[in-house]
Amino acid sequence: AQSVAQPEDQVNVAEGNPLTVKCTYSVSGNPYLFWYVQYPNRGLQFLLKYITGDNLVKGSYGFEAEFNKSQTSFHLKKPSALVSDSALYFCAVRGKYGNKLVFGAGTILRVKS
Amino acid sequence: DGGITQSPKYLFRKEGQNVTLSCEQNLNHDAMYWYRQDPGQGLRLIYYSQIVNDFQKGDIAEGYSVSREKKESFPLTVTSAQKNPTAFYLCASKQSYGYTFGSGTRLTVV
Repeated sequence: AQSVAQPEDQVNVAEGNPLTVKCTYSVSGNPYLFWYVQYPNRGLQFLLKYITGDNLVKGSYGFEAEFNKSQTSFHLKKPSALVSDSALYFCAVRGKYGNKLVFGAGTILRVKS
Repeated sequence: DGGITQSPKYLFRKEGQNVTLSCEQNLNHDAMYWYRQDPGQGLRLIYYSQIVNDFQKGDIAEGYSVSREKKESFPLTVTSAQKNPTAFYLCASKQSYGYTFGSGTRLTVV
């Protein structure tokens, strides 16, 4: 069965500092991995995905994520956080031949000025 | 612009009532999904459909029903059998590797 763990309920970071939101996954075979962001009472906005190829994936709004197969991780990173990055972030995984996208519980990111 | 439209944005249900949430897409995507979001639990899959006139149960299908009579539409009915329906409901569609989400419907039992 597929599963995603986001070990931190909340991450706090000062504006201008680098940020990391952690994600580990479990899936049979090669994973398809995604990061989404959600603002209050809104749908999910796509940030980036890993399907195959380069382990470092660059996405929207300056975010990037690194796929680490040996550690089964896909941590989201940004070199310099903005107050406007404050939101709820979801990691999700799907198996190569699967039909279901499975989500983690989400991590609240708070960026303080 | 292409996208997914969910309506209504807010919905109130009395005890024992069935209510239907609308999801329409003009992206020409084959697959559509319904997720339920509760605080601290992420998104859980209710039902999904890969083609017209076919759908499968997700992880928490009890108390819900769906139909897929048209490619563009995938309505979700929350029945009176769903004991705790208060939640935020998200519809999504997929083509190839890309998933697109609607803006959600917040359902509250009154």
